[in-house]
Amino acid sequence: GAVVSQHPSWVICKSGTSVKIECRSLDFQATTMFWYRQFPKQSLMLMATSNEGSKATYEQGVEKDKFLINHASLTLSTLTVTSAHPEDSSFYICSASQLSSGNTIYFGEGSWLTVV
Amino acid sequence: GESVGLHLPTLSVQEGDNSIINCAYSNSASDYFIWYKQESGKGPQFIIDIRSNMDKRQGQRVTVLLNKTVKHLSLQIAATQPGDSAVYFCAERGNAGNMLTFGGGTRLMVKP
Repeated sequence: GAVVSQHPSWVICKSGTSVKIECRSLDFQATTMFWYRQFPKQSLMLMATSNEGSKATYEQGVEKDKFLINHASLTLSTLTVTSAHPEDSSFYICSASQLSSGNTIYFGEGSWLTVV
Repeated sequence: GESVGLHLPTLSVQEGDNSIINCAYSNSASDYFIWYKQESGKGPQFIIDIRSNMDKRQGQRVTVLLNKTVKHLSLQIAATQPGDSAVYFCAERGNAGNMLTFGGGTRLMVKP
């Protein structure tokens, strides 16, 4: 079946540096992918909608210059956390939908980011 | 609507009993609803979905009930097993693409 893969699964970076997280749809094409953030013991909060070939749409309160999203192909979206701070430490999850299966939405396994 | 807090509500059930997890949604225009299971440190795992033109859908050991009048969704798990222990989220999809809005989540703990 369809699989959405994220990389890396775990990453630790220093404050002030940037880190990139990849989201890939492995056996289907996804014109739209979604990025969520989840803090411990909380629900998933949508950050942005990633659109292939165009600019991402950000939710209110999410800084587009800090969370750079690039959806350069139909199978890959990347989220770059720029100038990371400890408060950016979180679980980042992407999702993609497969139109051929009735818009079934698949989630990646998530990426743990720890900023020290 | 969604409630996001520091402490997830917890449902504790005995192994073999049935579990019922409830969710209230906010958008009356939502046309598609999904239940996800999330184990610690992992991404959400699809359990079952239901469209707004239905009020009940059954899967293997799981049943989802939709009450559009009161905007309420429930997940019933039959013969709950230890492997069912996880956090369960409901999600609704509005009429703007495939963007999902998640509920606050419920932690299910199964006692052996």
